[in-house]
Amino acid sequence: AQKITQTQPGMFVQEKEAVTLDCTYDTSDPSYGLFWYKQPSSGEMIFLIYQGSYDQQNATEGRYSLNFQKARKSANLVISASQLGDSAMYFCAMRESGNQFYFGTGTSLTVIP
Amino acid sequence: GAVVSQHPSRVICKSGTSVKIECRSLDFQATTMFWYRQFPKQSLMLMATSNEGSKATYEQGVEKDKFLINHASLTLSTLTVTSAHPEDSSFYICSARPPGTGPRQPQHFGDGTRLSIL
Repeated sequence: AQKITQTQPGMFVQEKEAVTLDCTYDTSDPSYGLFWYKQPSSGEMIFLIYQGSYDQQNATEGRYSLNFQKARKSANLVISASQLGDSAMYFCAMRESGNQFYFGTGTSLTVIP
Repeated sequence: GAVVSQHPSRVICKSGTSVKIECRSLDFQATTMFWYRQFPKQSLMLMATSNEGSKATYEQGVEKDKFLINHASLTLSTLTVTSAHPEDSSFYICSARPPGTGPRQPQHFGDGTRLSIL
């Protein structure tokens, strides 16, 4: 079974609007972490936000927030007030008790002016 | 914050050439580093886990003799693509995570290497 599932290959959003990128995960490990990375066309992976399995509150980092629904095993990324520079690939990732990361297939976000 | 440097950023070479890619942790010691391969518009595929002072752990389907990994020091891991062919053309990216840090610490990635084999 896939550890991380991102069902949206591509998304479009109007500039200044909010957008939600979906991520569901599969694990039986009670301790895990969920991460979102941004990958612009230049290729580097940029860490955006983290959510721990025991965190009581949803993580927020500036315009990024994570809608964590533990029972549903989902960790959707919300980008508010989209900017043209937000156009990129976005990857959801999970780390279980070990050190290895599991990545989803990514969502390509295009911000329309 | 933690920085990972990867070199070179781009390589274009002839078929049959061996290519070495370096991954350095600049401000922390990394006993473990990870090597990924990424095809266009696809996710990162873990190739191998590089362990300092011991053999790398390869994922299923990754040829050990094709992709040689050496982790000779706590700050440097190298990936050598031996006798490269056009099908080895891809984006290769390494990552590392400072040891002893909490679970919130993300993997830090190098900027990647675009390998093109003619």
